[in-house]
Amino acid sequence: AQTVTQSQPEMSVQEAETVTLSCTYDTSENNYYLFWYKQPPSRQMILVIRQEAYKQQNATENRFSVNFQKAAKSFSLKISDSQLGDTAMYFCAFMKPTGTASKLTFGTGTRLQVTL
Amino acid sequence: SAVISQKPSRDICQRGTSLTIQCQVDSQVTMMFWYRQQPGQSLTLIATANQGSEATYESGFVIDKFPISRPNLTFSTLTVSNMSPEDSSIYLCSVEFSGGKTEAFFGQGTRLTVV
Repeated sequence: AQTVTQSQPEMSVQEAETVTLSCTYDTSENNYYLFWYKQPPSRQMILVIRQEAYKQQNATENRFSVNFQKAAKSFSLKISDSQLGDTAMYFCAFMKPTGTASKLTFGTGTRLQVTL
Repeated sequence: SAVISQKPSRDICQRGTSLTIQCQVDSQVTMMFWYRQQPGQSLTLIATANQGSEATYESGFVIDKFPISRPNLTFSTLTVSNMSPEDSSIYLCSVEFSGGKTEAFFGQGTRLTVV
């Protein structure tokens, strides 16, 4: 079974600064996907960024980028130029495609607070 | 992406009763998933719902407690039966598209409080 570990329960960053959220995972699979989801107080789970394990290039989405280290099984999220709207819970998630059902395994989350 | 509507958005229920949560998607999807998020916790998969067949439950979850229906490719329901305060959680439905798109989209969740 896969496990996902987020070792930072809470983080704080000042507006316009950069913050990095950590995530490690454990799997014996070679082909899989990794995600970062954001959950603001509205409860909506919002996909932030996705990484395919077979791609060496780190994914980027505007101010969000990842540092994917496959051998180390590490998948950190960097948020640049932090904004107040980035305040949320952030979940790292692992997906192993299994035929027609691709289930997500989530980490325990990191609560990010962006301050003025 | 998809628009996923969940109803109700929140409810307060008496112990011993049942609540049915609905999930409607604006396009046809192969797989629908139901997750539970207990207070302050991460998301845990309850079951995977296929259209036209029995749902597949994860370890620790049983059909008698969480019956699921999937009558068509755009709709599913999750019932939380014989509720106790321990069932107080956020319940979220999630979809994966039939084209095998490797990402999941979520409804806005149902916040359930059992008193």
